[in-house]
Amino acid sequence: ETGVTQTPRHLVMGMTNKKSLKCEQHLGHNAMYWYKQSAKKPLELMFVYNFKEQTENNSVPSRFSPECPNSSHLFLHLHTLQPEDSALYLCASSPNSGGEYNEQFFGPGTRLTVL
Amino acid sequence: GQNIDQPTEMTATEGAIVQINCTYQTSGFNGLFWYQQHAGEAPTFLSYNVLDGLEEKGRFSSFLSRSKGYSYLLLKELQMKDSASYLCAVLDSNYQLIWGAGTKLIIKP
Repeated sequence: ETGVTQTPRHLVMGMTNKKSLKCEQHLGHNAMYWYKQSAKKPLELMFVYNFKEQTENNSVPSRFSPECPNSSHLFLHLHTLQPEDSALYLCASSPNSGGEYNEQFFGPGTRLTVL
Repeated sequence: GQNIDQPTEMTATEGAIVQINCTYQTSGFNGLFWYQQHAGEAPTFLSYNVLDGLEEKGRFSSFLSRSKGYSYLLLKELQMKDSASYLCAVLDSNYQLIWGAGTKLIIKP
């Protein structure tokens, strides 16, 4: 498989559930990102990892917990979410974070619905 | 604050030309990206501009004026498959990507 993959593609969960989103990139990149995409709003950067180290955490609530065990895998652990967390969660990767011309390659996203 | 403005929605006819504008106010500038996103799919890279002028790539061209904080994406010979959202994003002085909300382009036969 090539590019950036995400599982699951769709997820419905209750506010008391715990679930995890998975992202895998097959591009040999060193940086990985989590974004939240809500309807008619700009992409919101949540977390950035560069060489497995977290370099950005854009004031994301603690109910979202990222994990990056290696440069190819990124997880987003979810617990006690709120209905307003319903959105498309996109994973992306790039050769490195920061620096010029850092094209990001995106996965297809996980459509999350919190009931 | 940092801000990227682009129209919410545009409609165009198959075979025609459409120009999608993007204006930005950011803390510094290190380049501007255009991405295409079909409904339910991943955003995919279209173009990158860091110097003023026009970059042409097949049916798509992207223009940048840094002094005006302005860019546009020009799509020629529109096809039905061009129906998608087009996202403008600017790399700021900290090399963080600042995203616009996207322009939904509807192509009619």
